[in-house]
Amino acid sequence: EPEVTQTPSHQVTQMGQEVILRCVPISNHLYFYWYRQILGQKVEFLVSFYNNEISEKSEIFDDQFSVERPDGSNFTLKIRSTKLEDSAMYFCASSDNSDANSPLHFGNGTRLTVT
Amino acid sequence: GEDVEQSLFLSVREGDSSVINCTYTDSSSTYLYWYKQEPGAGLQLLTYIFSNMDMKQDQRLTVLLNKKDKHLSLRIADTQTGDSAIYFCAESDYNQGGKLIFGQGTELSVKP
Repeated sequence: EPEVTQTPSHQVTQMGQEVILRCVPISNHLYFYWYRQILGQKVEFLVSFYNNEISEKSEIFDDQFSVERPDGSNFTLKIRSTKLEDSAMYFCASSDNSDANSPLHFGNGTRLTVT
Repeated sequence: GEDVEQSLFLSVREGDSSVINCTYTDSSSTYLYWYKQEPGAGLQLLTYIFSNMDMKQDQRLTVLLNKKDKHLSLRIADTQTGDSAIYFCAESDYNQGGKLIFGQGTELSVKP
């Protein structure tokens, strides 16, 4: 069964550094998302992306964050200058083009640790 | 704003049925989902239900939706030790396609 893949599974970085989290969505999906889960808290929506542009973003998704689809397969989340509070599990998800409310399929996540 | 609430823990014996409950506040919820997260793994879609349905069955899983009370439940029949995981309820609003609001997750522990 097709799946969403994320790399790396664990990323450790120093405060102030830039990180890029990578995702390969399911190949025929056209809607892409990033969510995050801070340890002990709920999974939170960050951003949705469709047709090469952001369709919605949350208050968390400030100027430090950006997303890109650099080619036909990858979908990336960049954090320009990481802060301690960015430490979390980051999940990528995708859904197909039948309906924007089609079920989201999630990757296994990237655990980001900012020291 | 929208909110989704779940109890944090549930413990059952192998072979029993498990019922995981969820309440939500958004009256315009159109889709409600159950995801499973095993240790160290991602969010696996288990099942989902449209808001115009009140029940959906899929093998050992039964989802019940009480739209009036904004209550969703997931029943797992003949629970196995492999069902031990965290189960997340989530809802989405048709007007905000793809933006899921998650509950905090229920940790299901299955004892042999």
